[in-house]
Amino acid sequence: DTEVTQTPKHLVMGMTNKKSLKCEQHMGHRAMYWYKQKAKKPPELMFVYSYEKLSINESVPSRFSPECPNSSLLNLHLHALQPEDSALYLCASSQEWVQFFGPGTRLTVL
Amino acid sequence: QQQVKQSPQSLIVQKGGISIINCAYENTAFDYFPWYQQFPGKGPALLIAIRPDVSEKKEGRFTISFNKSAKQFSLHIMDSQPGDSATYFCAARGYGGSQGNLIFGKGTKLSVKP
Repeated sequence: DTEVTQTPKHLVMGMTNKKSLKCEQHMGHRAMYWYKQKAKKPPELMFVYSYEKLSINESVPSRFSPECPNSSLLNLHLHALQPEDSALYLCASSQEWVQFFGPGTRLTVL
Repeated sequence: QQQVKQSPQSLIVQKGGISIINCAYENTAFDYFPWYQQFPGKGPALLIAIRPDVSEKKEGRFTISFNKSAKQFSLHIMDSQPGDSATYFCAARGYGGSQGNLIFGKGTKLSVKP
């Protein structure tokens, strides 16, 4: 199984809502990532978890809160987002060299 | 600041032609160079990758050429097909550690005309 899954595929939320994005991998990878991708731009790294501990936070606003419940799961909790946060949110996992991406969650903030 | 510069920004190729996308990096502290293919609304998919101790790697119609002294690497797509129409990102991995933080190029939108 070389797949990273993400739910939901699409999410529309208001600026006062609280929602969560979920990511799962069963490849035994010990590093997991959240990226944000705007249209026609490359993925932009947000957070890195290594062995279930947050190792990198790329100065992401506190309205984004990551969580790694176990080695297979990664969540991104969203609260009080802004319209400019609308984007494709990608999860990835890696073991040594290769990084695999999930299909992404298309987030629209109204 | 570590950067990866990718060109061209967009590319139109006729079916059966060769598509060439180039990337250059400035920092020698990179140890892994992957290429990702991304279709609209989908996540990036790893296409092919190379380590700096190898000058060329071929997988089917896709070839990476790597020039360590020039700090450049390129993707060649032979016999390009309409199904290859996508956005391609080159990337470089920061040296050290197992986290594999990728630095991406800005992407190339490839259109293959039938």
